[in-house]
Amino acid sequence: ELKVEQNPLFLSMQEGKNYTIYCNYSTTSDRLYWYRQDPGKSLESLFVLLSNGAVKQEGRLMASLDTKARLSTLHITAAVHDLSATYFCAVDRAGGNKLVFGAGTILRVKS
Amino acid sequence: DVKVTQSSRYLVKRTGEKVFLECVQDMDHENMFWYRQDPGLGLRLIYFSYDVKMKEKGDIPEGYSVSREKKERFSLILESASTNQTSMYLCASSLSYSPLHFGNGTRLTVT
Repeated sequence: ELKVEQNPLFLSMQEGKNYTIYCNYSTTSDRLYWYRQDPGKSLESLFVLLSNGAVKQEGRLMASLDTKARLSTLHITAAVHDLSATYFCAVDRAGGNKLVFGAGTILRVKS
Repeated sequence: DVKVTQSSRYLVKRTGEKVFLECVQDMDHENMFWYRQDPGLGLRLIYFSYDVKMKEKGDIPEGYSVSREKKERFSLILESASTNQTSMYLCASSLSYSPLHFGNGTRLTVT
C-alpha cells in the first residue's frame, strides 16, 4: 500500500527566508505532483515530476524528485506573503492518475 | 481553462438522508474522481471513473456510490448520510497522465 508522508505539517516563516518541504513515499512510482490550496479554494497544480533527478521551477518555488530515495522536495526561496497556502504532494500509484496525497503542509509567511 | 463545477458549495443534511453531490466538467476528460478532504489526512480517494458507466472503488468507498451516465457528469451518492461523512468533498477530472483539475468543493455537514 502506497503511503505518502509530508513534513513539516505546519511551517511559519519570515519573509525573505528559505525553507524546504519534504515528501516521502513508500513504493515505486513514476509520477509525483505538487498542488497548492489557498484558504477556501480548490487545489491548483504546481508541478509534475516524472523521472529521477527531475527539477522544476516556477518563481520562488522549486521542486525536485529522487526516485531512488522516494523523496521529493519543494524548496521556497526568499518567501513572500503571497506564498501562504497549503501545499500537497501526491503520488500516482501504478498509473491511472489514482493519486495518493500527503496530509499537506500549511505554510504561513509572516512579514 | 478547464472548468470543474460542483453544484453546491455548502450542504447541510440530516442523518439518514440520501445525498447527491453533482460534478460537471467541460473539457471532455475521460477520467473523473471524487475525493474527501479532512484536516490532517489530506485528500482520500472515494471513487473514480475512466469512462461512461464505468466506476471503480478508491480507498474509502464504504457508504458511498457513484454514477456516471454522461462523460461530463460524475455524481457522488451518500446512500444514508452519517455524521462521520461530514467533510469537504472535491471532484476532479483529468486526461490520462495529466494533472487533476479540481472543483471548488462541497462542504457537507451531516447533523
